[in-house]
Amino acid sequence: GQQVMQIPQYQHVQEGEDFTTYCNSSTTLSNIQWYKQRPGGHPVFLIQLVKSGEVKKQKRLTFQFGEAKKNSSLHITATQTTDVGTYFCAGTTGNQGGKLIFGQGTELSVKP
Amino acid sequence: GAVVSQHPSRVICKSGTSVKIECRSLDFQATTMFWYRQFPKKSLMLMATSNEGSKATYEQGVEKDKFLINHASLTLSTLTVTSAHPEDSSFYICSARDRGRGNYGYTFGSGTRLTVV
Repeated sequence: GQQVMQIPQYQHVQEGEDFTTYCNSSTTLSNIQWYKQRPGGHPVFLIQLVKSGEVKKQKRLTFQFGEAKKNSSLHITATQTTDVGTYFCAGTTGNQGGKLIFGQGTELSVKP
Repeated sequence: GAVVSQHPSRVICKSGTSVKIECRSLDFQATTMFWYRQFPKKSLMLMATSNEGSKATYEQGVEKDKFLINHASLTLSTLTVTSAHPEDSSFYICSARDRGRGNYGYTFGSGTRLTVV
């Protein structure tokens, strides 16, 4: 079945350092979404990418969708302690009724 | 907008009993809702797709008779964990999508932490 792989599993950074998490799908995606889950919380939607090669920015966060629509990345510039949490990518394909398949997540910790 | 309410947030039950979890879309109609299970420090595992007015679609390996899903209205889906056992202890989360909001993603409920003792 469809799989979405995400690396790294954990990332510990010093405040101010950059952070990147990568996502790869075994199949071509219709779109890819990114979510953030704080410890003890639930996933919160960050962004959706739909077009091949798309790049979107939200302040210090940059999201990319690969040309083949099978990989994506999230880059955070100059991390802050408020960035702490687990970041998940999640993809959908056109023939699965809209269901999201989640990557394993990358847990980010930021040392002040 | 696009608020999903999930209750209860925490529940402790005895082994052998059943627990019902509710998921409501408060400001939009959801013909489809999704139920996930999450273990500590793990990803979200899709359990089933809840379809309004019809049977749920379960993912491979998920027991239909164990996890009963009912989606009787456009704003409510319920997940009942029947004859719960300690291994059913987990974090259960529902999600839905407001199709009227274009590029917005899925909204998740706040989750239900189930502990079976």
